[in-house]
Amino acid sequence: QAVVTQEPSLTVSPGETVTLTCGSSTGAVTSGHYPYWFQQKPGQAPRTLIYDTSNKHSWTPARFSGSLLGGKAALTLSGAQPEDEAEYYCLLSYSGGWVFGGGTKLTVL
Amino acid sequence: EVQLVESGGGLVQPGGSLRLSCAASGFTFSSYWMHWVRQAPGKGLVWVSRINRDGSSTSYADSVKGRFTISRDNAKNTLYLQMNSLRTEDTAVYYCVFQSNGVCHWGQGTLVTVSS
Repeated sequence: QAVVTQEPSLTVSPGETVTLTCGSSTGAVTSGHYPYWFQQKPGQAPRTLIYDTSNKHSWTPARFSGSLLGGKAALTLSGAQPEDEAEYYCLLSYSGGWVFGGGTKLTVL
Repeated sequence: EVQLVESGGGLVQPGGSLRLSCAASGFTFSSYWMHWVRQAPGKGLVWVSRINRDGSSTSYADSVKGRFTISRDNAKNTLYLQMNSLRTEDTAVYYCVFQSNGVCHWGQGTLVTVSS
């Protein structure tokens, strides 16, 4: 089965921009992997932020955006806020099932 | 309101078995593929298994293949996960999940602890 890789941890200053990435061991991530991004805070179930690469929900803050970048899925946070400190997971779909990335612990400091 | 309520978790010895259930309500259960996802304490999300709408097709992560069996009863709006030959590394919170209109809906999870 594929392995999906994310940065284990990133730190961003309040108001700054950070990009989290999601790569696949099978090659370039494409829209056909239907990339999802989730935010998870301690003690809570994951919350969907981005689906199908770049689509947002009504509850997704405008400062979050999704894209494909350099063969990976990417989640960009423009203007980080303290409440954005959380674990972020990407999810890719393959013919055999789903594969989650290992998660990125984002610290806003 | 969509609700997914998992049950059946608990403490089991290595080599033992457990059957998890997920009671679904607030949506047309039979219209959706369903998944099990687990999260070990302090660790990341791991996809475990999926089943199609009528139960005729299933897939598993390599780590559980041959030991776990996913099934569903559309008449009872319930998803199951039969877990056999449990290992300490299977210790995790198990969530049932489905996707609808770009949203992944999650239950609250049920904790499975495999320990002697």
